[in-house]
Amino acid sequence: AQSVTQLDSQVPVFEEAPVELRCNYSSSVSVYLFWYVQYPNQGLQLLLKYLSGSTLVESINGFEAEFNKSQTSFHLRKPSVHISDTAEYFCAVSAGSGAQKLVFGQGTRLTINP
Amino acid sequence: GAGVSQTPSNKVTEKGKYVELRCDPISGHTALYWYRQSLGQGPEFLIYFQGTGAADDSGLPNDRFFAVRPEGSVSTLKIQRTERGDSAVYLCASSPAGGTEAFFGQGTRLTVV
Repeated sequence: AQSVTQLDSQVPVFEEAPVELRCNYSSSVSVYLFWYVQYPNQGLQLLLKYLSGSTLVESINGFEAEFNKSQTSFHLRKPSVHISDTAEYFCAVSAGSGAQKLVFGQGTRLTINP
Repeated sequence: GAGVSQTPSNKVTEKGKYVELRCDPISGHTALYWYRQSLGQGPEFLIYFQGTGAADDSGLPNDRFFAVRPEGSVSTLKIQRTERGDSAVYLCASSPAGGTEAFFGQGTRLTVV
C-alpha cells in the first residue's frame, strides 16, 4: 500500500517570495507521482507529474518538483509566487501506470500575502 | 461536454435517506473514478471503472455504498441509509484509455442532517 504525507497544512508567503511545499511518500513498489492544485471554487487540476525519466518536472506556470527516490520525496517549488497561486495543493501517488487509484496527501493551503 | 460534470452540486438529505450522485465524464474517456473528500482531508479513493465494469471497488467503505456505470459513460454513486459521517464532497474524475491524468469534476457536496 502507498501513503503520502504533506508536512505542512498551511504555508503563508509574501508575493514574489520563493516557496517549497513538502511531500513524502511510502510505497513498497515503484510509484508515479503527481501534484494537483485546487483553486478557490474550482475542481482539482493536474499541476505536474513524474512517471519516468528526468527526475525534475516542470509546470507551465513556473512550478517544479523533483523526484528523490532515496528520500522518497516529491517536493514542489516555485522561485517567485504570485497572488494567483493562492490555492490548495495536493500531492498524490499511484502504483499503476496511469491515474487509477490515486492516494492523496492531506493538502497544503498556500496563501500569498501582498 | 467540455469537462467532467457532477450533479447536483449540493445535496442536503436527512439521516437514513437514500441519495444518488451523478457523474458525466468527458466524452470518450473510458476510465471513471469516484473519490470522497472530507473536510480538511485529501480525496480518498472509492471506486474505479474501466468501461462498464468496476475494476477496483476496494475503497467503498461499506455495503451502503454502490456505484454503477451501465453504458460505460455516465456513472451514479448510490448511498443507502445515509449517516452523518457520510457528509463530504464526492468527486468524480475520468481519463482516456492509457491516460496518466485524471480530470476532476467540481464535486457534489453532500450534507446529511
